[in-house]
Amino acid sequence: QVHLVESGGGVVQPGRSLRLSCAASGFTFSNYGIHWVRQAPGKGLEWVGVIANDGNMKYYADSVKGRFTISRDNSKNMLYLHMDSLRDEDTALYYCAKEIGVADMIDYWGQGTLVTVAS
Amino acid sequence: QLVLTQSPSASASLGASVRLTCTLSSGHSSSPIAWHQQQPGKGPRYLMKLNSDGSHIKGDGIPNRFSGSSSGAERYLTISSLQSEDEADYYCHTWALGIHWVFGGGTKLTVL
Repeated sequence: QVHLVESGGGVVQPGRSLRLSCAASGFTFSNYGIHWVRQAPGKGLEWVGVIANDGNMKYYADSVKGRFTISRDNSKNMLYLHMDSLRDEDTALYYCAKEIGVADMIDYWGQGTLVTVAS
Repeated sequence: QLVLTQSPSASASLGASVRLTCTLSSGHSSSPIAWHQQQPGKGPRYLMKLNSDGSHIKGDGIPNRFSGSSSGAERYLTISSLQSEDEADYYCHTWALGIHWVFGGGTKLTVL
């Protein structure tokens, strides 16, 4: 079955960088777009960005545009989120999530990895 | 601008039915949405994709107690025969032009 496992979270100082990873299995990774979605403590879900199945198209939320970069390695079934210039408000649980189809809804979620931005 | 509006909270009794609503902003009434459930302390779980005509595709293992329907710009999630494990946050989400995805604020369902 579909399995998404995030890793790489931790405590980081404001202004620093961090890279999250998402390991995928149970489906043909190269056929699907993958999203990053975050959830601040006690808050709702916030879409962060998406990368198309071939990695050629990427879209980001305005709140992270220019600071976050999504990439993928289809040979390793891996997704990445590189986060630069981190701010206090980036503190959240970060989920990777698979699309149903091309530019479609999310149908599977990982369990998340926690990023805490604090000095 | 695409916005999804959900009531912050809802409640219903054990064994009863409840209908949650997600409202699409003006100009987006034909957009499909997806419903997701997030139980306390867990990651979200996909329930279904719901189209403007009310047709829906449920996720793997989602019980028949969960159903979807649509009317104009409103998308509904109905849960019948409520069980204690249905107490959760419910989120709707959709996309605009395939380049921007958005979530509703979520509805916290309490099972009394």
